[in-house]
Amino acid sequence: AQKITQTQPGMFVQEKEAVTLDCTYDTSDPSYGLFWYKQPSSGEMIFLIYQGSYDQQNATEGRYSLNFQKARKSANLVISASQLGDSAMYFCAMRDSPLYSGGGADGLTFGKGTHLIIQP
Amino acid sequence: NAGVMQNPRHLVRRRGQEARLRCSPMKGHSHVYWYRQLPEEGLKFMVYLQKENIIDESGMPKERFSAEFPKEGPSILRIQQVVRGDSAAYFCASSPRDRDQPQHFGDGTRLSIL
Repeated sequence: AQKITQTQPGMFVQEKEAVTLDCTYDTSDPSYGLFWYKQPSSGEMIFLIYQGSYDQQNATEGRYSLNFQKARKSANLVISASQLGDSAMYFCAMRDSPLYSGGGADGLTFGKGTHLIIQP
Repeated sequence: NAGVMQNPRHLVRRRGQEARLRCSPMKGHSHVYWYRQLPEEGLKFMVYLQKENIIDESGMPKERFSAEFPKEGPSILRIQQVVRGDSAAYFCASSPRDRDQPQHFGDGTRLSIL
């Protein structure tokens, strides 16, 4: 089973509308972290927002917020008032312990990404 | 620039040559991670290093790939005898601690094998 699932390969959204990008995850580790990164066409990876599994409140960073539903194992990214410059690939990623991932990697596990296109 | 520095941005090699990719972490960061991104895919973890130590290399191919993070100087990802399938974007990330802090990425090195 995939550890990180992003079910939307692509999305078209009208400028100034809010956008929700879906992310579900799978882990048995009680302590984990969830991250969202943006990758524009120029290729760099830009950190957007982080949510710890024990955080009581949903993370927010400017126009970005994370809708964290722990029981559902979902961590959707919400972008308010979308802008043309938001057009990019968006990746959800998780950090849990190798002890809980069956001896897996100590780095981040990424989803396959969502290609977001903001239309004027 | 206080961010993660990777060089070169683009690297072209012929099959059988060696590729060396460099990464200088953010100031104050002692944990370095290397990832590989194939076209149209997310990033795949390769290796996690601290100064002079490889902590986790479970994502590294068993042959031809090696990584180091010496006491002085940048972290190096080395690919010997490159093949066409090594063509990818290689990203380095750094963090101040290994779990709780976000990993900040460099701009990546695009490796093309002719």
